[in-house]
Amino acid sequence: GENVEQHPSTLSVQEGDSAVIKCTYSDSASNYFPWYKQELGKRPQLIIDIRSNVGEKKDQRIAVTLNKTAKHFSLHITETQPEDSAVYFCAASGSARQLTFGSGTQLTVLP
Amino acid sequence: GAVVSQHPSWVICKSGTSVKIECRSLDFQATTMFWYRQFPKQSLMLMATSNEGSKATYEQGVEKDKFLINHASLTLSTLTVTSAHPEDSSFYICSAVVARDTQYFGPGTRLTVL
Repeated sequence: GENVEQHPSTLSVQEGDSAVIKCTYSDSASNYFPWYKQELGKRPQLIIDIRSNVGEKKDQRIAVTLNKTAKHFSLHITETQPEDSAVYFCAASGSARQLTFGSGTQLTVLP
Repeated sequence: GAVVSQHPSWVICKSGTSVKIECRSLDFQATTMFWYRQFPKQSLMLMATSNEGSKATYEQGVEKDKFLINHASLTLSTLTVTSAHPEDSSFYICSAVVARDTQYFGPGTRLTVL
């Protein structure tokens, strides 16, 4: 089955700096890669996603890049703000639409 | 956007009792829903895939007789934790497929078994 690895497990940045979270996946058949933000005790919220026919996608301060050959994808957050502090999860899925999640990254944005 | 609700948001029960959790898609029909379990400071682990009108598909290691799933309509899936024990205490979250492969999550149910 699919295996998704995520790094780093914790990340602290100064407000206004950029944050980058990286994930690798094992199943070359995976074709959908969402990123979720989860605040303590709350549901995961989809913040951006990318499909395998696209190399990069951007939505305001958030961008995701995908390298299918290397089987890795990354989340980039620019101009970070304290409200960006949360746990971020990457995930991957294929035709069965089942999501396999990474282990999560605790992002802390220091004011 | 798509809204997924879950009920109850939290429940405390005694060991040996059963607990039912409901997952509803409020403004769309969901032929497929997923059930996840999340332990503190851990990732989401898929428990089972719930398909409307058919039996659920369970992930390896998940006891189907302990975690009963019923997807009786296009807007409702239920998870029943039977004979709950303290080790079943966790955050249970459902999700629904909205379009293609996009999943939206319910708010989760915090289960505490005493």
